[in-house]
Amino acid sequence: EPEVTQTPSHQVTQMGQEVILRCVPISNHLYFYWYRQILGQKVEFLVSFYNNEISEKSEIFDDQFSVERPDGSNFTLKIRSTKLEDSAMYFCASSPRGSGGQYFGPGTRLTVT
Amino acid sequence: QKEVEQNSGPLSVPEGAIASLNCTYSDRGSQSFFWYRQYSGKSPELIMFIYSNGDKEDGRFTAQLNKASQYVSLLIRDSQPSDSATYLCAVNDDNAGNMLTFGGGTRLMVKP
Repeated sequence: EPEVTQTPSHQVTQMGQEVILRCVPISNHLYFYWYRQILGQKVEFLVSFYNNEISEKSEIFDDQFSVERPDGSNFTLKIRSTKLEDSAMYFCASSPRGSGGQYFGPGTRLTVT
Repeated sequence: QKEVEQNSGPLSVPEGAIASLNCTYSDRGSQSFFWYRQYSGKSPELIMFIYSNGDKEDGRFTAQLNKASQYVSLLIRDSQPSDSATYLCAVNDDNAGNMLTFGGGTRLMVKP
């Protein structure tokens, strides 16, 4: 069964450094998303992406964040200058159509020290 | 600010019983509703979706939707210890890039 994959599984970085989180969505899916979950808190929407552009972004997704689909398979989230409060699990998700169910990858645990 | 509310639990049921999980949402215009299961330290796993008022069954799971009351529920029949997890209710906003708004989840414990 096709799955969303994410790398790395765990990333430790120092405050102020740039990180890139990578995702490979399910191959025939057209809609891509990033969410995050701070330990013990709700899953929060960051951004949705369709047809090579951002469809929607939340207030969390400020100028420090960017997304890219550099080729036909990868979908990346870049955090330009990490802060302590960016420490969280970051989940990539994809869906075959906009209003359908979204399938989540295993997540990347980001720890900012 | 669209809200999705769930009782955090834990909800404890004996093995073989029916577990009933509830969720309310604030946006009356919402059209698509999802239930995810999240084991500790893992990612959300899609288990059910429902778009129309009424019941939708899939194996041991039944989702129920009442748009007039802005209420979604998930019933798990013949609960198993492996069903012990946090169940997340999510609502899709078709007008905002299909972003999902999640509730805080209900922790279910199924005791052997």
